[in-house]
Amino acid sequence: NAGVTQTPKFRVLKTGQSMTLLCAQDMNHEYMYWYRQDPGMGLRLIHYSVGEGTTAKGEVPDGYNVSRLKKQNFLLGLESAAPSQTSVYFCASSDGGAGDEKLFFGSGTQLSVL
Amino acid sequence: EDKVVQSPLSLVVHEGDTVTLNCSYEVTNFRSLLWYKQEKKAPTFLFMLTSSGIEKKSGRLSSILDKKELFSILNITATQTGDSAVYLCAVELNQAGTALIFGKGTTLSVSS
Repeated sequence: NAGVTQTPKFRVLKTGQSMTLLCAQDMNHEYMYWYRQDPGMGLRLIHYSVGEGTTAKGEVPDGYNVSRLKKQNFLLGLESAAPSQTSVYFCASSDGGAGDEKLFFGSGTQLSVL
Repeated sequence: EDKVVQSPLSLVVHEGDTVTLNCSYEVTNFRSLLWYKQEKKAPTFLFMLTSSGIEKKSGRLSSILDKKELFSILNITATQTGDSAVYLCAVELNQAGTALIFGKGTTLSVSS
């Protein structure tokens, strides 16, 4: 019963490098989200998707791109990493249903950009 | 602009104390308010509230929502060191697929 799986768990990049974070969910959820979390800032939405093939911008989308080619996967890309993108990244998914637990989170990715 | 404001941002208490965490919101088309606990990893779900005045309770934790005054409180009685965490409040809008809007969180430290 994997739920939401994020890879990698840790990554260190140099400024200007690119990378892709992968989020996979096995719950057949329609909606998927990428958040970043910085100290004292709560969770801020980067991009989200309401279904396969669709993506939309959240609160802090600059410097990131996303793709949802398959329903179970949601990729977050950094084309040219900057130190300001040092953060913990959380992926989450939802079926948008009436259940109490609205979001199911992955375990997070700690990214450091030097 | 939709927003969720939590207070205080941080709090230090002694074991056995009772604490009250606050969450106020200004959003269009409110559907529900949620509380999460976060201990150095992914947030874990605590409560979802949709109706005013109905207390949700789980052990030493309880929460209530006031939809008229647009706020919620999370109470923790007889605090333990294991309650040390960041407590996040989030609001769900009544619009399919929209993400939860999170507050900045309250960092609670319980000393023994």
